Amino acid sequence: DIVLTQSPDSLAVSLGERATINCKSSQTVLYTSNNENYLAWYQQKPGQPPKLLISSASTRESGVPDRFSGSGSGTDFTLTISSPQAEDVAVYYCQQYYNTPFTFGPGTTVDIK
Amino acid sequence: EVQLVESGGGLVQPGRSLRLSCAASGFSFDDYAMHWVRQAPGKGLEWVSGISWNSGSIGYADSVKGRFTISRDNTKNSLYLQMNNLRTEDMALYYCAKSGSGSTLGDTFDIWGRGTMVTVSS
Repeated sequence: DIVLTQSPDSLAVSLGERATINCKSSQTVLYTSNNENYLAWYQQKPGQPPKLLISSASTRESGVPDRFSGSGSGTDFTLTISSPQAEDVAVYYCQQYYNTPFTFGPGTTVDIK
Repeated sequence: EVQLVESGGGLVQPGRSLRLSCAASGFSFDDYAMHWVRQAPGKGLEWVSGISWNSGSIGYADSVKGRFTISRDNTKNSLYLQMNNLRTEDMALYYCAKSGSGSTLGDTFDIWGRGTMVTVSS
């Protein structure tokens, strides 16, 4: 099974201060035939289901603010919130859909100072 | 409006069975793979099972393999999860989720229901 680890476990940032979350995979999730990374990012606010933010490691979903961006390839990925807002307080998960069983990282809690 | 509504959760004793349902609306259900994802209280997300558009491809997490069965009825726009021999560690909020763009399993989960809670306790 592919194991995803995330760092840090939690972070508190000031409004407007860049937030960076890392996700590392135990094996590559880059599908070489189409050069696509099968890695997604989700945001989960308290009491709500997860929301898909980014697919293919760096493609923002429709309606997701452009302060959210994803990068990385192969086994190392990053979610960046360029200027966090109060409404971005949430737990963020990375997830691989390269092969079954599909797995999620343990989550990173983002708070605003 | 694209919507997924789960039902069927509740309190059940260890070793007993439960069947979850997910009613889909607002999209062409039979064009997409579908999944179940669970979240134990205060914990992270765990993919449970997925099924392709025509039920030709099915996958399970090791933790539920042999005990849970996923199925779908495209004529009823519905997804199901038959859960047998339930254990205390199966206690969680069970979400139904739609595949992002594909009819096969390997895809993101772009639409989620609000979940149905399964409590396993004697």
